[in-house]
Amino acid sequence: DTGVSQDPRHKITKRGQNVTFRCDPISEHNRLYWYRQTLGQGPEFLTYFQNEAQLEKSRLLSDRFSAERPKGSFSTLEIQRTEQGDSAMYLCASSRDRADQPQHFGDGTRLSIL
Amino acid sequence: AQKVTQAQTEISVVEKEDVTLDCVYETRDTTYYLFWYKQPPSGELVFLIRRNSFDEQNEISGRYSWNFQKSTSSFNFTITASQVVDSAVYFCALTLNSGYSTLTFGKGTMLLVSP
Repeated sequence: DTGVSQDPRHKITKRGQNVTFRCDPISEHNRLYWYRQTLGQGPEFLTYFQNEAQLEKSRLLSDRFSAERPKGSFSTLEIQRTEQGDSAMYLCASSRDRADQPQHFGDGTRLSIL
Repeated sequence: AQKVTQAQTEISVVEKEDVTLDCVYETRDTTYYLFWYKQPPSGELVFLIRRNSFDEQNEISGRYSWNFQKSTSSFNFTITASQVVDSAVYFCALTLNSGYSTLTFGKGTMLLVSP
């Protein structure tokens, strides 16, 4: 396994700008998750893909957030009109297609809103 | 809804001491899975162990051991003879067999091991 890869590692942007993050999961994993982690907290679930289908979204995912996973491979998470409260670490994870399989995480993208 | 509580925010020990990290969970489901993850300063969450709700056998892996007790809804993690490299934030997490297996995390326990 080459591991879950996320890009960029850090993103600094001004309030109101749009940002896009990319996640490349482990190749044989068809489940892909996005989480958000703020300082001193555990990761919180944002959204889940089974192959290319987005099957679940958290209420944390406002309409400014959108995620895609074209062709069931890599995934992108876009935040439009960023706000101060969007500053966080965005984590991507992937797993095999069973509930008992551990999710493997990438290094995350740290977003800072100026 | 499920919930994971890690009451210890931060623990400081001296190298070679044993340390136990507590985890208490809540769920109405009968089939679920519990996990421990380690998050070193570099930020990546590293999977440590998984436990099924129907398997209460404790596990030892090197200096790490886990004590799962359904009667008290606890899944505690012990590090024996701690080392400086064990310094990290440790997260306990829960997922259900139903639904899409999203993880519910506790707030984490920061472990600081000093030489």
